[in-house]
Amino acid sequence: DIQMTQSPSSLSASVGDRVTITCRTSQSISHYLHWYQQKPGKAPKLLISVVSMLESGVPSRFSGSGSGTDFTLTISSLQPEDFATYYCQQSYNSPPTFGQGTKVEVK
Amino acid sequence: EVQLVQSGAEVKKPGESLKISCEGFQSSFTNYWIGWVRQMPGKGLEWMGLIHPADSDTRYTPSFQGHVTISADTSISTAYLQWSSLEASDTAMYYCASGAAALGHPYDMWGQGTMVTVSS
Repeated sequence: DIQMTQSPSSLSASVGDRVTITCRTSQSISHYLHWYQQKPGKAPKLLISVVSMLESGVPSRFSGSGSGTDFTLTISSLQPEDFATYYCQQSYNSPPTFGQGTKVEVK
Repeated sequence: EVQLVQSGAEVKKPGESLKISCEGFQSSFTNYWIGWVRQMPGKGLEWMGLIHPADSDTRYTPSFQGHVTISADTSISTAYLQWSSLEASDTAMYYCASGAAALGHPYDMWGQGTMVTVSS
């Protein structure tokens, strides 16, 4: 199995802050890395696919980067609606696996 | 684009069986992989398994293999997740997800979730 390690598990930030979340995999997964956002009581929402491709309607303050085993989700200027939990997911192997999640909380 | 609508919340006793559903409202339902994801209370997301409705190719995450069964009925564009004997530890929210035309693709369509509570 491919192990996914997200860090940090939680962070406190203020509106306007730059936020960076990292995802490390136990083996190379090429570009098969996606990011999801989940708000309380809601289903996950796909934000970014194949490392850096923003889904339609996702604000440009979100960006993704990385390759191989190390990946990053960046929110350039945190907005009130961005407080949520973020998950990375690999689809190099089947079934896919998620990272453990990063909760972005209000500072 | 596939829209997914899941069956309603369930309350069951340990040892009981259960089958929950995920209906796709689009003609190309059979062209996409459908996955099931568990979220235990206050915890993260866990993939349980996948099915491709067109040929019933099914993949399970090892930790769920043998405990659940994933199936699909293409005639009614519906995927299922079932248990033959529930345990208290099965209490969770269960999501179906679709939109992946191939195994490496992400899942851009999600059901609203089905809450399953198992308690004596």
